[in-house]
Order: sequence, then structure tokens, then C-alpha cells
Amino acid sequence: EAQVTQNPRYLITVTGKKLTVTCSQNMNHEYMSWYRQDPGLGLRQIYYSMNVEVTDKGDVPEGYKVSRKEKRNFPLILESPSPNQTSLYFCASSLLTGPPLAKNIQYFGAGTRLSVL
Amino acid sequence: AQRVTQPEKLLSVFKGAPVELKCNYSYSGSPELFWYVQYSRQRLQLLLRHISRESIKGFTADLNKGETSFHLKKPFAQEEDSAMYYCALSPTGTASKLTFGTGTRLQVTL
Repeated sequence: EAQVTQNPRYLITVTGKKLTVTCSQNMNHEYMSWYRQDPGLGLRQIYYSMNVEVTDKGDVPEGYKVSRKEKRNFPLILESPSPNQTSLYFCASSLLTGPPLAKNIQYFGAGTRLSVL
Repeated sequence: AQRVTQPEKLLSVFKGAPVELKCNYSYSGSPELFWYVQYSRQRLQLLLRHISRESIKGFTADLNKGETSFHLKKPFAQEEDSAMYYCALSPTGTASKLTFGTGTRLQVTL
């Protein structure tokens, strides 16, 4: 089944303890992105990647890192989590090339709910 | 900078009533507009996009460049339409800077 898989789905951690949220897609999509969803703020883009080894900042990149060593994986790294990073995180992927109606549609993971105490 | 505004956090309508979810945007270039939907306990998914000009689940949305709007409409609401709806914008030709609105929760009651 074509999908975007995030792990873990739920995570409770403490301030300063490094963590990684994994994201994997099996659709051979070039583009991958991370968002955070907060009440009243909608989804805000953290980082995105147009292809392997190509990443760029979104609107709220502070406190996050990403890497894109393989096309299918796009992990989100919080080196030193803080309480203001408590949020619901979504990974998404899309095709950048191909028929107009097939590309640029973002497919989302199920979300990771993170609590930083 | 691109911006998407959804003025209503919650829209409550009766079953069978018309629905209009408002979306206004600001962007200096030529945008591509999307509506994404999140049903309870499901992933965020694409509902429709303006370039496809389709009606999905009875919903339509027309891009009005003069009013910079992309309102989502349905003539007769159904219970299963209850969900969170997000309007989103990206510069034409790329999804790299997809900007979402804050979302509108649609509640359809009997």
C-alpha cells in the first residue's frame, strides 16, 4: 500500500533529551516535508527536501534538524527539545515531476504527537 | 510572502443546508490552491485543487483571482462531511512552499 509512515505515533520526553521522529514513504516521491500543527495556527512547515541531499528551511525551522540521505526517508531531529516544541507533527511527500494532475499533491503521514516536559 | 486566511474556526450547519467554507489568500504571483480535509481519526488528505476543476464528494471550489479567494462550496451538507478543512497555497509549479490556513472545522448536525 502506498503510504507515508511516521514513527513513533506518540512520544513523551523531557527537556534536552535528543529525539528523532522517522518518516518513510514508498511512493518514490522526490519531495518530502515536515509540518507542525498547533491549535489556532494551522500547519506550519518546518523543513522540506526536494530530493536526496537537498533540504531547506520552512517557516519554523528553529530547534529542528533534518537529513535526506535516502529518497524514501526524511527523519526529523530535535537535538535539545524544549516544551514549546510540544505539538502534533506531520510528515508529507509528493511527486515533483510527472503529469500536472499527479504532481504536487501532498500525502501525509498519520502524525506524531510529541510532549516535551 | 504568501498567506492563507480562513476566517471561521468553526462552521456549524444542518444536514441538507448549503455549505461555504471561506478561504482568502495573498500572493504576488500565480498561485496553485488546494483544499485538504482531515476526517476524525484519519490522515490529512487532498480534497480538491483548482487546476483539476473537479467536484469531489459534491464539493467545488472556484479560484477568484480578483477577490483572491478560493471558497469551498457544497449545495447540501451531509453528516459525513463533518471534518477539519484546510485551504493551502503554493506557487505555481512547485509544492515546496505550501502554506496552510488555520483550518475550519465543519460540523453538520441533524
